[in-house]
Amino acid sequence: DAMVIQNPRYQVTQFGKPVTLSCSQTLNHNVMYWYQQKSSQAPKLLFHYYDKDFNNEADTPDNFQSRRPNTSFCFLDIRSPGLGDAAMYLCATSRAVDNSYEQYFGPGTRLTVT
Amino acid sequence: AQSVSQHNHHVILSEAASLELGCNYSYGGTVNLFWYVQYPGQHLQLLLKYFSGDPLVKGIKGFEAEFIKSKFSFNLRKPSVQWSDTAEYFCAVIPYNTDKLIFGTGTRLQVFP
Repeated sequence: DAMVIQNPRYQVTQFGKPVTLSCSQTLNHNVMYWYQQKSSQAPKLLFHYYDKDFNNEADTPDNFQSRRPNTSFCFLDIRSPGLGDAAMYLCATSRAVDNSYEQYFGPGTRLTVT
Repeated sequence: AQSVSQHNHHVILSEAASLELGCNYSYGGTVNLFWYVQYPGQHLQLLLKYFSGDPLVKGIKGFEAEFIKSKFSFNLRKPSVQWSDTAEYFCAVIPYNTDKLIFGTGTRLQVFP
């Protein structure tokens, strides 16, 4: 089945130790998103790629970076994780269908910072 | 700025009670509308969506939502809730011809047997 896959599902890292989360998709969608979701809050968009064009949200900290080496893969790099970066990180994909962009979400990676 | 409001932050119901969760958005143009559900410890799942056509939309698990354009609303309903409906519910909007999903703050639903 076509889907959005996130690895790992659970990630533990140490304060200040760089960590990379990955997302892959078999939907062949041209748009990919990264969201941060903290407990009992709505997902917060960090950035997204429209094809190869990177779109950063204005309030996304510089500590968060992203790479999209090809259509199928997208990575979230947290250069120096702080305790406040502990959250669920969601990847989503979409494509334009009649100018409508329905997003398909992956299962998320739960990041713990010790 | 475009925004989505969910006025019910926490709803507590007994099984078999009827449910209505409010959702209002602030955007004057055409929008695509969604309700997502997140069960405890699980990822976001799409409950239902509205793009065009019949404003009464039926989704999975007996949920439905009605788009009322004049009220900028997209309320979620279920005639009889079950304990398994305990979850967080998010309303979301994509303004037409944009690629950003704007989430509401979410409503936590607790259903007691």
